[in-house]
Amino acid sequence: DAGVIQSPRHEVTEMGQEVTLRCKPISGHNSLFWYRQTMMRGLELLIYFNNNVPIDDSGMPEDRFSAKMPNASFSTLKIQPSEPRDSAVYFCASSRDAYEKLFFGSGTQLSVL
Amino acid sequence: TQLLEQSPQFLSIQEGENLTVYCNSSSVFSSLQWYRQEPGEGPVLLVTVVTGGEVKKLKRLTFQFGDARKDSSLHITAAQPGDTGLYLCAATSILTGGGNKLTFGTGTQLKVEL
Repeated sequence: DAGVIQSPRHEVTEMGQEVTLRCKPISGHNSLFWYRQTMMRGLELLIYFNNNVPIDDSGMPEDRFSAKMPNASFSTLKIQPSEPRDSAVYFCASSRDAYEKLFFGSGTQLSVL
Repeated sequence: TQLLEQSPQFLSIQEGENLTVYCNSSSVFSSLQWYRQEPGEGPVLLVTVVTGGEVKKLKRLTFQFGDARKDSSLHITAAQPGDTGLYLCAATSILTGGGNKLTFGTGTQLKVEL
């Protein structure tokens, strides 16, 4: 299995620009999670989908952040407009069902200048 | 929100030494997981502990869950350079809509030198 696939691996953009991060979960997994990792705050859960439906988005920082899961094999996390404080590594993870082991992707390193 | 404090924050040791990493909270955990994260990669699950007092071994790694399920430790025997990485504990809580929410600890960065 290819594992959880995230793209791009690195993204450098300027403040105010729109950023879209992409994730392909492991085939057959029906739960998908977006996490953000920074030195100051560690790993934080942003949003969780189960069967393509958002279940918990309480971790989404503000309205500039949005996430979608149009089908079982694809999810996006969008930041519009981006700000320097959004700079972090964003991870996508999936699991077979809501209570099983999480498999993480390799992350997207985002730098907002 | 559960707050998970890990100690030490950084640890640099020589190959062959033993070490212990701690994960503490004032809250009771339903279960706790330990992950290892290498540079440029996502965390990888090492073990899940569920029962108070539980001890699990994974080769040279020994994981213990406190009797009161508020703390956990990871002990590495005869550390090797391949053990280098960021060690994260994560506590699980049940989401209202179903599923687990993992709250991660602050992390312990381990470096094992030759």
